[in-house]
Amino acid sequence: EAQVTQNPRYLITVTGKKLTVTCSQNMNHEYMSWYRQDPGLGLRQIYYSMNVEVTDKGDVPEGYKVSRKEKRNFPLILESPSPNQTSLYFCASRGILGGEQYFGPGTRLTVT
Amino acid sequence: GENVEQHPSTLSVQEGDSAVIKCTYSDSASNYFPWYKQELGKRPQLIIDIRSNVGEKKDQRIAVTLNKTAKHFSLHITETQPEDSAVYFCAATTFGNEKLTFGTGTRLTIIP
Repeated sequence: EAQVTQNPRYLITVTGKKLTVTCSQNMNHEYMSWYRQDPGLGLRQIYYSMNVEVTDKGDVPEGYKVSRKEKRNFPLILESPSPNQTSLYFCASRGILGGEQYFGPGTRLTVT
Repeated sequence: GENVEQHPSTLSVQEGDSAVIKCTYSDSASNYFPWYKQELGKRPQLIIDIRSNVGEKKDQRIAVTLNKTAKHFSLHITETQPEDSAVYFCAATTFGNEKLTFGTGTRLTIIP
């Protein structure tokens, strides 16, 4: 089954404690992205990657890091989380020919 | 960078009536405009998209129109049904580029 998976699905953590949210896709997609969703602000792109070892900033990259060492994986790293990073995070992927962007199930992160 | 504005933020329509959601974009280089539907507690899913080489695209009860000169595009849902209740997001990008800018969303409620 074609899918994008994220882990964990829910996470409560404290300010400053480094965390990683994993994202994996099994569709051999070149493009992958991370978004955060906040009420009234819609979906905002954090980082995106157009291929292995190629990443670029989206609209809200501050406080986040990503890496793309393998085509299928695109982890999101928060090295020192802060309360303003409390949000719902989505990973997404799609193929090089464009078309539908497939979203993962989301990770709800709370930073206290 | 690209800026996408979406209106209205909430919309209630009687079942069977039509619903229209409008978006404007700022970057004249944008040429790919997808629409996503997000049901409560679920991930966004693509429902229709349009490229700038066409002015309209239909898929059963859903249609999207694009006015490149005015830099706006709209989603039209006819004969609305209860299952159309969801949040709808428009987005804009340049085809082949993964930097995607979303509107802030429209919460559509279908009144039985």
